Amino acid sequence: RKEVEQDPGPFNVPEGATVAFNCTYSNSASQSFFWYRQDCRKEPKLLMSVYSSGNEDGRFTAQLNRASQYISLLIRDSKLSDSATYLCVVKMFPGGTSYGKLTFGQGTILTVHP
Amino acid sequence: DTGVSQDPRHKITKRGQNVTFRCDPISEHNRLYWYRQTLGQGPEFLTYFQNEAQLEKSRLLSDRFSAERPKGSFSTLEIQRTEQGDSAMYLCASSSPVNALETQYFGPGTRLLVL
Repeated sequence: RKEVEQDPGPFNVPEGATVAFNCTYSNSASQSFFWYRQDCRKEPKLLMSVYSSGNEDGRFTAQLNRASQYISLLIRDSKLSDSATYLCVVKMFPGGTSYGKLTFGQGTILTVHP
Repeated sequence: DTGVSQDPRHKITKRGQNVTFRCDPISEHNRLYWYRQTLGQGPEFLTYFQNEAQLEKSRLLSDRFSAERPKGSFSTLEIQRTEQGDSAMYLCASSSPVNALETQYFGPGTRLLVL
């Protein structure tokens, strides 16, 4: 079983639509959670961190359910520029170290069309 | 540009050749990571440096792979006797524990194709 699993999609939605991505992680020791965005042939860039209480950044809302080991990302009022791959990421601190190793899901492809 | 830089951006090589990639992290970042990403997958952790010390290596990093960060600044990743399965994008990231969430910032990657 993969440590971080996402529905790879692709999701094809019209502009203005609301789209939700889900992600599950297997290691209950995971301590920090993120969504990264990756444009075609580019590097991943941090979209937002995910907090236990849920958090919102403009049109983007992230939720975390530690009991279910489940993370979600909701995008409202989709724009053409939202087309990208969205990577679910968890961070663990191996062996009690102070650094965090990122584990990525395979990514969910989103295409927003006119 | 004060972001993470990587060189070269693209590399085509023949099977069996050695290749070396360079990463220059954000200047004040003492933590540096290498990841590998194959088509349709998310990046996978390869190795981690804190300053010049290599503190963790993934089992993905076979003995053909070696990474260094000799002065705690730039890092190199060398692949010896390349195989077709080494074809991937090699990403470098850096971070600083000064940032509470310690965001890892990625470079543009080196895309390797082994023929």
